[in-house]
Amino acid sequence: AQRVTQPEKLLSVFKGAPVELKCNYSYSGSPELFWYVQYSRQRLQLLLRHISRESIKGFTADLNKGETSFHLKKPFAQEEDSAMYYCALRNKLVFGAGTILRVKS
Amino acid sequence: NAGVTQTPKFQVLKTGQSMTLQCAQDMNHNSMYWYRQDPGMGLRLIYYSASEGTTDKGEVPNGYNVSRLNKREFSLRLESAAPSQTSVYFCASKGAGGLNTGELFFGEGSRLTVL
Repeated sequence: AQRVTQPEKLLSVFKGAPVELKCNYSYSGSPELFWYVQYSRQRLQLLLRHISRESIKGFTADLNKGETSFHLKKPFAQEEDSAMYYCALRNKLVFGAGTILRVKS
Repeated sequence: NAGVTQTPKFQVLKTGQSMTLQCAQDMNHNSMYWYRQDPGMGLRLIYYSASEGTTDKGEVPNGYNVSRLNKREFSLRLESAAPSQTSVYFCASKGAGGLNTGELFFGEGSRLTVL
């Protein structure tokens, strides 16, 4: 079955610390993975997609087919990064359970 | 530039009552979706419509019906609300062809409480 797993419900880090939000997927075909973000009082929006291999707001994510992972990383967290993050498998419109990132000052 | 608009934003129902959540998009997108968001469960797909005139079940369709009224509008109906349907509901849309980057555009959400 197609599945996206985000093992951490909450990740709390200090400002300036590195961040890694974990995402693992289960899909038999060629996966297309996205990260979406929901800031407080804002609508859910796309952060980045693996195909474009871009860095958005300092975040990057690399697709590792061997480990079936698509972890989201940022070297230095900022307070404005605090939000809910969802990993999504585009192929089957499946979302993970989400991880709340809290960046403390 | 409204994007995806959902109404109502908040609703309280009693068990057994019915209601319809409305969704409209102004981006000329072919595909539209209804998700529910529950703590610890993330976003789960209820129903989707790949194009005008078609609808398909998602992961959790029981207790819901949908109507793709036209290309712009996609409504979600609860015929007999149950407390288990207390959730935040999100409508989303996605383009096709040259507009299809795979990105979903979301509405602001509708918070439904069933007592």
